[in-house]
Amino acid sequence: SQQGEEDPQALSIQEGENATMNCSYKTSINNLQWYRQNSGRGLVHLILIRSNEREKHSGRLRVTLDTSKKSSSLLITASRAADTASYFCATDENDYKLSFGAGTTVTVRA
Amino acid sequence: DSGVTQTPKHLITATGQRVTLRCSPRSGDLSVYWYQQSLDQGLQFLIQYYNGEERAKGNILERFSAQQFPDLHSELNLSSLELGDSALYFCASSTYTGELFFGEGSRLTVL
Repeated sequence: SQQGEEDPQALSIQEGENATMNCSYKTSINNLQWYRQNSGRGLVHLILIRSNEREKHSGRLRVTLDTSKKSSSLLITASRAADTASYFCATDENDYKLSFGAGTTVTVRA
Repeated sequence: DSGVTQTPKHLITATGQRVTLRCSPRSGDLSVYWYQQSLDQGLQFLIQYYNGEERAKGNILERFSAQQFPDLHSELNLSSLELGDSALYFCASSTYTGELFFGEGSRLTVL
């Protein structure tokens, strides 16, 4: 079973625009992570936000976490063609098991 | 390059057969995770090892087994293979920070 669910399933934007995707989860967490996967490749860690944090930035990425609503968002600003990928949120159901959502597929058009 | 090495990259076999997937974690990482990614099931957690011991188990079938050796490399054994086992199998390793570093995966095709 998957703990997190991303929304939307797919997103198509123009280069230079911002992309926002959301993640909802079901149980209490210690932290939430976002990963990127280029087609058929391994997942790459983007950012980790702890349950006591509300917002975190890394370069063009901004992540928010609302534990009261059990949701998180990932914002990619000034998107580039290289940002075309699938993005997954992952939550720790316990200290050891990291569960991934179904992902949001982002296409950045030149 | 994540530092996690998986072999083989591609594998084609027949139903009923057995295969072994191998993973070498990043230098210094004690934890190894195995995930299965398929189109219909998404990314499913299979099992985690920490320093040779099984730490957490997910949706791993009884036909599947894994182990982590003293040199910390891990193997995932898949037996009595079925068509539905065709998928990408990922290994990941982690440090105490909790972020996972993924290998490039082993693509298994069962015919």
